[in-house]
Amino acid sequence: KQEVTQIPAALSVPEGENLVLNCSFTDSAIYNLQWFRQDPGKGLTSLLLIQSSQREQTSGRLNASLDKSSGRSTLYIAASQPGDSATYLCAVSASGGSYIPTFGRGTSLIVHP
Amino acid sequence: EPEVTQTPSHQVTQMGQEVILHCVPISNHLYFYWYRQILGQKVEFLVSFYNNEISEKSEIFDDQFSVERPDGSNFTLKIRSTKLEDSAMYFCASSEMAGYYGYTFGSGTRLTVV
Repeated sequence: KQEVTQIPAALSVPEGENLVLNCSFTDSAIYNLQWFRQDPGKGLTSLLLIQSSQREQTSGRLNASLDKSSGRSTLYIAASQPGDSATYLCAVSASGGSYIPTFGRGTSLIVHP
Repeated sequence: EPEVTQTPSHQVTQMGQEVILHCVPISNHLYFYWYRQILGQKVEFLVSFYNNEISEKSEIFDDQFSVERPDGSNFTLKIRSTKLEDSAMYFCASSEMAGYYGYTFGSGTRLTVV
């Protein structure tokens, strides 16, 4: 059974810092990995999707990397802003027929001015 | 950008009552899902639905729960005889090709059982 762990659980940083959020998974036979953002009490907004054959994806100030062999993905946020404050969730879809994404607990990020 | 639409945004119900949560997936998507998130906990998979039948379900999805696609656009989750512990945010999601292009989630229905 796929287990997804996100470290750190919480992060508080001053505006302008570059950040790295980590996601690790136990079964490297993945289909794809998706990073989401969740604002308090709200839904899940997709940020980046990485297919199993890819090493990284970029969107604006966000860059996500994938290392299947070590069971890790990182989300890099450049020049953080207060509007980046949210919980960031990693969801891993396993290969082998199911493809149902398994979520980590998330990293709660606060960027203060 | 196409969206998954969920209604209502908040539902309060008395313990023992039945509730139906509504979702309108993205129109060209073929795979539909329900997830839940108890306050402060992980987003957990409940059920997936494809070709008018359940394709997979978790151990959470017991006889208390059922899903239906009553017409070409709606996808519903019914919870019978609600319990206090059913209080959670329920998310609907859809995908085009079993998740190859990723999953699109709705904004959720917050269910409060009193």
